[in-house]
Amino acid sequence: AQKVTQAQTEISVVEKEDVTLDCVYETRDTTYYLFWYKQPPSGELVFLIRRNSFDEQNEISGRYSWNFQKSTSSFNFTITASQVVDSAVYFCALSDSFSGGYNKLIFGAGTRLAVHP
Amino acid sequence: DTGVSQDPRHKITKRGQNVTFRCDPISEHNRLYWYRQTLGQGPEFLTYFQNEAQLEKSRLLSDRFSAERPKGSFSTLEIQRTEQGDSAMYLCASSLARDRGAEAFFGQGTRLTVV
Repeated sequence: AQKVTQAQTEISVVEKEDVTLDCVYETRDTTYYLFWYKQPPSGELVFLIRRNSFDEQNEISGRYSWNFQKSTSSFNFTITASQVVDSAVYFCALSDSFSGGYNKLIFGAGTRLAVHP
Repeated sequence: DTGVSQDPRHKITKRGQNVTFRCDPISEHNRLYWYRQTLGQGPEFLTYFQNEAQLEKSRLLSDRFSAERPKGSFSTLEIQRTEQGDSAMYLCASSLARDRGAEAFFGQGTRLTVV
């Protein structure tokens, strides 16, 4: 069965600290997709990144970076030099052929990040 | 604004009443999804449409829930005889099915409180 685990429920940091959000996934599929979404207090889930299972190249986008490791089934997300505006709940999600043929997302429980000035 | 739009943003209803939510997806997106999110949890899939066809329903979607997407445009989610356990955030998302695993774009949700 598919499963996404975000072991960190809440993280609190001071502005300008680096912070890494962990995500571990389970799937029987060899082709799958992983996502990160951000949910600010307004409630809207904001898409951040998508990765497919054949692309293990890590990515950096501004202050964000993602580390995908199939060997450990992890897809971790790092914010460098955090800012107060980064405060939100971050969700990792999985989509595979068992998810209605890639047509639904299996979400983790989320990690609430609080960045203090 | 061409994002996903949901209405209303908040709904308070008495137990036993019926409620209906509306979702307007991004105009060129042919897939539309409904998710439910309870406090402290990630969203859980309820159902999805490709154009006007409802292709999958979760076991979470009891007989009291019905969703429609007439003409493949906006969608409605109706809950009949609401119960306190229905209190949650109901999220709508849409995507363009050009390839599998396409990212979904979410609306701001409708927060339902059943009293």
